[in-house]
Amino acid sequence: GQQLNQSPQSMFIQEGEDVSMNCTSSSIFNTWLWYKQDPGEGPVLLIALYKAGELTSNGRLTAQFGITRKDSFLNISASIPSDVGIYFCAGSSSWGKLQFGAGTQVVVTP
Amino acid sequence: DTAVSQTPKYLVTQMGNDKSIKCEQNLGHDTMYWYKQDSKKFLKIMFSYNNKELIINETVPNRFSPKSPDKAHLNLHINSLELGDSAVYFCASRFGTAYEQYFGPGTRLTVT
Repeated sequence: GQQLNQSPQSMFIQEGEDVSMNCTSSSIFNTWLWYKQDPGEGPVLLIALYKAGELTSNGRLTAQFGITRKDSFLNISASIPSDVGIYFCAGSSSWGKLQFGAGTQVVVTP
Repeated sequence: DTAVSQTPKYLVTQMGNDKSIKCEQNLGHDTMYWYKQDSKKFLKIMFSYNNKELIINETVPNRFSPKSPDKAHLNLHINSLELGDSAVYFCASRFGTAYEQYFGPGTRLTVT
């Protein structure tokens, strides 16, 4: 089956710093999605990517769909305390089914 | 508010009991999912229904039985609960051929 690796597992950063995380797959995906999960809540969709090479922004968030279709990157610029949470990548190669990465825990210190 | 909602938010029960979790979405979506999130936060798909028809059934013990009375509701019944069933269960939904899934707030199940 497909293997989806997300890194880093956790990040401790200072407020104002930029954050980068990525996901790689052993197989090709048609879509990459990025979610954020706050404690005690469900994952919330941040960005959706549909085409290889696509670069999409949502406020301070920027995500890219790798040209090989096997990877994706999420960047957060100028982090603020509310950026704390777990960020998940999710890929789909077949209609209706998502495969999730293990998550990146982001901790922001003042 | 348009959203995916789940009840209950928390569920504490003893081994061997039978319990149900309910999910409702008012987003007009036609496909709904159940996911299990373990203690390491890994999200794993369990089931999916499209217009009341089961379309995804991952390797899940048959003690778990989903039911979809209509396309806006998806329930999960669990028989003979075991300690390993303790987890957070998320409902999610999607519309048509869109890939994006929208999640509920989760139900934290604790089996003692």
